Amino acid sequence: EADIYQTPRYLVIGTGKKITLECSQTMGHDKMYWYQQDPGMELHLIHYSYGVNSTEKGDLSSESTVSRIRTEHFPLTLESARPSHTSQYLCASSAPDHGPSNYGYTFGSGTRLTVV
Amino acid sequence: AQTVTQSQPEMSVQEAETVTLSCTYDTSESDYYLFWYKQPPSRQMILVIRQEAYKQQNATENRFSVNFQKAAKSFSLKISDSQLGDAAMYFCAYRSGNTNAGKSTFGDGTTLTVKP
Repeated sequence: EADIYQTPRYLVIGTGKKITLECSQTMGHDKMYWYQQDPGMELHLIHYSYGVNSTEKGDLSSESTVSRIRTEHFPLTLESARPSHTSQYLCASSAPDHGPSNYGYTFGSGTRLTVV
Repeated sequence: AQTVTQSQPEMSVQEAETVTLSCTYDTSESDYYLFWYKQPPSRQMILVIRQEAYKQQNATENRFSVNFQKAAKSFSLKISDSQLGDAAMYFCAYRSGNTNAGKSTFGDGTTLTVKP
């Protein structure tokens, strides 16, 4: 059962629209991440967060922005969607380094975005 | 920057047989973690197994085990007694132990088919 939730699961939207992809986790994890994944391909980190009010850009340049006002919530926004933004977006979180967890990620189910 | 390479885009195995997925990585760090994640078709990505670089003993989780060769920078995943439910894309991932960000770098993935 998922402890990290992404909505919507699928989204088809027109060019130029503003969209927000939601990601919430109930585990109290400080670290959260957004990855972009094209079908059948590797994951690219686009944003991450150490905790509240902390956000950083990832390795892959992205026109999206993120915010982290609450620990559990890490939404991703595209101000003006374009067909090149069509992809799957995966949200993940990570437990504290020295806790009883396994240092791995817990992933959400992803949002598959299509911009037409 | 660290890189992760999975040289087998696709693998197949007969049900109940054993298969090994390959992964190599490049790093100059001594403190790091390695992971294998499983992404079934249209389903959530989950952590399969992890390995701390400082541990010599290979990790094992039920039918899943790794062969960690630190000097060779190799981290292969062995799946024993393969089941139909093992069919998925498998990603190898690297995480530095020297940063608080907890970012992971992923390989390109290996698609595993299990034949009945």
